[in-house]
Amino acid sequence: AQSVTQLDSQVPVFEEAPVELRCNYSSSVSVYLFWYVQYPNQGLQLLLKYLSGSTLVKGINGFEAEFNKSQTSFHLRKPSVHISDTAEYFCAVRDNAGGTSYGKLTFGQGTILTVHP
Amino acid sequence: EAQVTQNPRYLITVTGKKLTVTCSQNMNHEYMSWYRQDPGLGLRQIYYSMNVEVTDKGDVPEGYKVSRKEKRNFPLILESPSPNQTSLYFCASSRTGDPKNIQYFGAGTRLSVL
Repeated sequence: AQSVTQLDSQVPVFEEAPVELRCNYSSSVSVYLFWYVQYPNQGLQLLLKYLSGSTLVKGINGFEAEFNKSQTSFHLRKPSVHISDTAEYFCAVRDNAGGTSYGKLTFGQGTILTVHP
Repeated sequence: EAQVTQNPRYLITVTGKKLTVTCSQNMNHEYMSWYRQDPGLGLRQIYYSMNVEVTDKGDVPEGYKVSRKEKRNFPLILESPSPNQTSLYFCASSRTGDPKNIQYFGAGTRLSVL
């Protein structure tokens, strides 16, 4: 079964600083990768996804992520954050390997990003 | 507007009192799923449904039931809620179970069981 580890539970940064939220998953065999964002008191919104092709994917709000198969990582980055980026971010992996776990979406524990003025 | 609608958004109940959280989607999606979100644990899948009358257990199904009689609705039933089911619940749907399909999430239901 897949597992997803988000290495930082909380990341505080100052406005306009760069940020990286780290995500590692357990197996590189046939998976699709996603980052979701959850703003306070709201549901989950898709930030970006990697299905195939270029390993650098761009999402909404200036975020991007890089798929690294050899390191089984999918870190999220933004070169300059805003106060409005304060939210909880979830990395997720969807299994494409077949069997009983086919299609299952497995989430990491979440990283709370707090942007300070 | 394409959306997944959950009701109620907030619910406080007492141990043992049966409750149902409704979930409805207007996108004609085949695949629907329920998750619970707990601090430090992320989201964990409770049950999912690949299509009408097809449901299966996720990672944490104990104490929950679901049904899928119609394509658009996927209610979550707690027959005898307990305090350890206090959590934030999300319903999600996608076009099919194909892993490429994006899952769309409802706004969440915050449940407190006293």
